[in-house]
Amino acid sequence: EPEVTQTPSHQVTQMGQEVILRCVPISNHLYFYWYRQILGQKVEFLVSFYNNEISEKSEIFDDQFSVERPDGSNFTLKIRSTKLEDSAMYFCARTGTGGETQYFGPGTRLLVL
Amino acid sequence: AQTVTQSQPEMSVQEAETVTLSCTYDTSESDYYLFWYKQPPSRQMILVIRQEAYKQQNATENRFSVNFQKAAKSFSLKISDSQLGDAAMYFCAYRSGDSWGKLQFGAGTQVVVTP
Repeated sequence: EPEVTQTPSHQVTQMGQEVILRCVPISNHLYFYWYRQILGQKVEFLVSFYNNEISEKSEIFDDQFSVERPDGSNFTLKIRSTKLEDSAMYFCARTGTGGETQYFGPGTRLLVL
Repeated sequence: AQTVTQSQPEMSVQEAETVTLSCTYDTSESDYYLFWYKQPPSRQMILVIRQEAYKQQNATENRFSVNFQKAAKSFSLKISDSQLGDAAMYFCAYRSGDSWGKLQFGAGTQVVVTP
């Protein structure tokens, strides 16, 4: 099944700056997820988003994070004031037909200096 | 809360040989899904195989197969006829039977393939 695409592939930012990571679905999927993976660690769930609303979020997903689908197409993750510990790979995923399986985008590598 | 445990940080295998990666999980649910994802150096997450808990038959995808032991809460991945391209980090993941639930990952096992 086709995956999602993510932009940018890499982003370097200064601590305290806002970043927006984008997920572009190939077709009109309704259910999306954001995960992150700090280097050398396991993949962690951040948030799921269904029909333009947050469905579930983890304790990592605090007030610094937000998600939205501003134009009905792209799906964005915003980090308002980045911290050094936000440096990680951020993955967008979407469900396939039937919802059982999640397919991941290529990820955005975020480095906070 | 469910937990997923991969106790092997690294496994080494020679080309054309077979390697088995272990995964155990803890859950009180009866309906769930289990997955193996491959993460090569590019860090892309690639689905390898999926197993539905209600199915007794072990899933197979070409050279990849699983040994699903529901009572023991064990879900191992066997890679047969290993190839250099199989070298990657492999993650076991659990998802509740709720179709839209989040994935919960293990810590991963690094597979090294030697010529």
